[in-house]
Amino acid sequence: KQEVTQIPAALSVPEGENLVLNCSFTDSAIYNLQWFRQDPGKGLTSLLLIQSSQREQTSGRLNASLDKSSGRSTLYIAASQPGDSATYLCAPGGNQFYFGTGTSLTVIP
Amino acid sequence: GAVVSQHPSRVICKSGTSVKIECRSLDFQATTMFWYRQFPKQSLMLMATSNEGSKATYEQGVEKDKFLINHASLTLSTLTVTSAHPEDSSFYICSAGPRGASTGELFFGEGSRLTVL
Repeated sequence: KQEVTQIPAALSVPEGENLVLNCSFTDSAIYNLQWFRQDPGKGLTSLLLIQSSQREQTSGRLNASLDKSSGRSTLYIAASQPGDSATYLCAPGGNQFYFGTGTSLTVIP
Repeated sequence: GAVVSQHPSRVICKSGTSVKIECRSLDFQATTMFWYRQFPKQSLMLMATSNEGSKATYEQGVEKDKFLINHASLTLSTLTVTSAHPEDSSFYICSAGPRGASTGELFFGEGSRLTVL
């Protein structure tokens, strides 16, 4: 079973800072890796999807990288805004999708 | 992106009753859907993989007789919590990806919050 770890568990930064969220996973036999955000009491919103053959994906201020062989992915958020405050989850995609405990991000105005 | 809809979004029931939660893919067909539960301030725990036209595959430790999953069509999967008890109170979320899509991207419903009194 895939084990997913996300570091840090919580992060509080002032508005405007760039930040990096880390995700590591134990089984590198994945098809893709997806990053999500979850607002309190809500479902998950897909942010970025990286195929196993890709090294990174970008969407606006977000950039995600994938090192499949070492079982790692990072999500880079540039120029953070208060609206970015949420829990960020990564999910390596195999036959099933397992989640880590996420990183709870607070961006202070 | 593709849309996954869950219903009801909130449900309160008495202990001992059964509750059904629906998960629909609104604009695509999904041969596989996933059911998760989430406790407060914790991550999503995969409960089972729902396969259209066949039995669901349950994760270790998840009681299949307690959590009945039916995936009768390419756009609908249901989770029935049978004889619910207060410890079943949780946030249940389903996900699905478009059938045949090469990307394997998952889309999630908004979740269903179950409270068992």
